[in-house]
Amino acid sequence: EAGVTQFPSHSVIEKGQTVTLRCDPISGHDNLYWYRRVMGKEIKFLLHFVKESKQDESGMPNNRFLAERTGGTYSTLKVQPAELEDSGVYFCASSQDWRVHVRNTEAFFGQGTRLTVV
Amino acid sequence: AQSVTQPDIHITVSEGASLELRCNYSYGATPYLFWYVQSPGQGLQLLLKYFSGDTLVQGIKGFEAEFKRSQSSFNLRKPSVHWSDAAEYFCAVGTLRGNQFYFGTGTSLTVIP
Repeated sequence: EAGVTQFPSHSVIEKGQTVTLRCDPISGHDNLYWYRRVMGKEIKFLLHFVKESKQDESGMPNNRFLAERTGGTYSTLKVQPAELEDSGVYFCASSQDWRVHVRNTEAFFGQGTRLTVV
Repeated sequence: AQSVTQPDIHITVSEGASLELRCNYSYGATPYLFWYVQSPGQGLQLLLKYFSGDTLVQGIKGFEAEFKRSQSSFNLRKPSVHWSDAAEYFCAVGTLRGNQFYFGTGTSLTVIP
């Protein structure tokens, strides 16, 4: 069974440019999450999709970030225009059940996309 | 507000030695606690989780963690470390709403021969 896949694994862009990150969740997982880790800091929640709907956007830092999940399958996270402080590792996760504390539910994470804005 | 503290940024242990990674949490109710590991080039992998009941939780790869409510801690342990355990370890608490984790800053583990 394929895990959560993220593309690209690494991206270096200049300040002001646009970058789009992609996440392919595990097939059949309705729930998809984006997290971000700024260097040396904790991994922080960005948002949560249930199928194609944004269930929770409370962690999105500002309107330069746009997440989509057309058709409820893969998701993209676009940063436009990118700023230096957007550098970090962006993780995607997926799960069958949205309640992470449910015993039989596990959130599966991808390997992350390392974004460097110069 | 929920928060997780991992006081050790980096730990180095010898192969075969015991390991304990510290995690303290701040949470207003019964916490749902997790340990994840990220090996180089890999995604975050769940090691173990605590919801209720027995405070000593067994996980994969020989890891265990003990929930101590009085100390607000959920330390991860392994009796004998293998070179393949070199990775970054993250402690996390699940929210009441259930849809997100609060992670600590991570502990990077180096294993020396």
